[in-house]
Amino acid sequence: RKEVEQDPGPFNVPEGATVAFNCTYSNSASQSFFWYRQDCRKEPKLLMSVYSSGNEDGRFTAQLNRASQYISLLIRDSKLSDSATYLCVVDHYSNYQLIWGAGTKLIIKP
Amino acid sequence: SQTIHQWPATLVQPVGSPLSLECTVEGTSNPNLYWYRQAAGRGLQLLFYSVGIGQISSEVPQNLSASRPQDRQFILSSKKLLLSDSGFYLCAWSVLGSTGELFFGEGSRLTVL
Repeated sequence: RKEVEQDPGPFNVPEGATVAFNCTYSNSASQSFFWYRQDCRKEPKLLMSVYSSGNEDGRFTAQLNRASQYISLLIRDSKLSDSATYLCVVDHYSNYQLIWGAGTKLIIKP
Repeated sequence: SQTIHQWPATLVQPVGSPLSLECTVEGTSNPNLYWYRQAAGRGLQLLFYSVGIGQISSEVPQNLSASRPQDRQFILSSKKLLLSDSGFYLCAWSVLGSTGELFFGEGSRLTVL
């Protein structure tokens, strides 16, 4: 089993719709969780951290389910500019050991 | 504000040739520095990280090496490239003691033929 798993997609979603995708992780001792966004052939950029109680940033909501060992990302009122690959990142023991998922590709259609 | 630059952006190299990728950070002192590789359809793989000048930790044994000759300079090298070295190489920095926010350079796309 991979340490961090994501559905590669692509998720094809009409503009304005709500989309959600999950990421599962294997190490129950993981402490920190993040979502990064990566545009095609560009570098990843931090989208948001994921807190135990769940957190929201505008149209984006991130949640953590420790019992089932997954995190989720929900995007409401999707925009064309949301098209990107979303990378799930899990910090096991230290900042140096961030484990990256392969990403979920999202395509927003007009 | 802090910025990070890496170069070259794209390169095509023959098997067995040397490699040198360079990364510099501006606007911060004593950053943690990282080299990652991203292969198609796979997650980022940490190659090297550094917490200070001359301090390099390797995560994956391979024919690559890294050096940090100055506080804000990080270099990735190889003496002889393999086909399997092809990929998207990313330099990143983080604030000492931070937990998870990495700032990436624009990336270097290497094709080994």
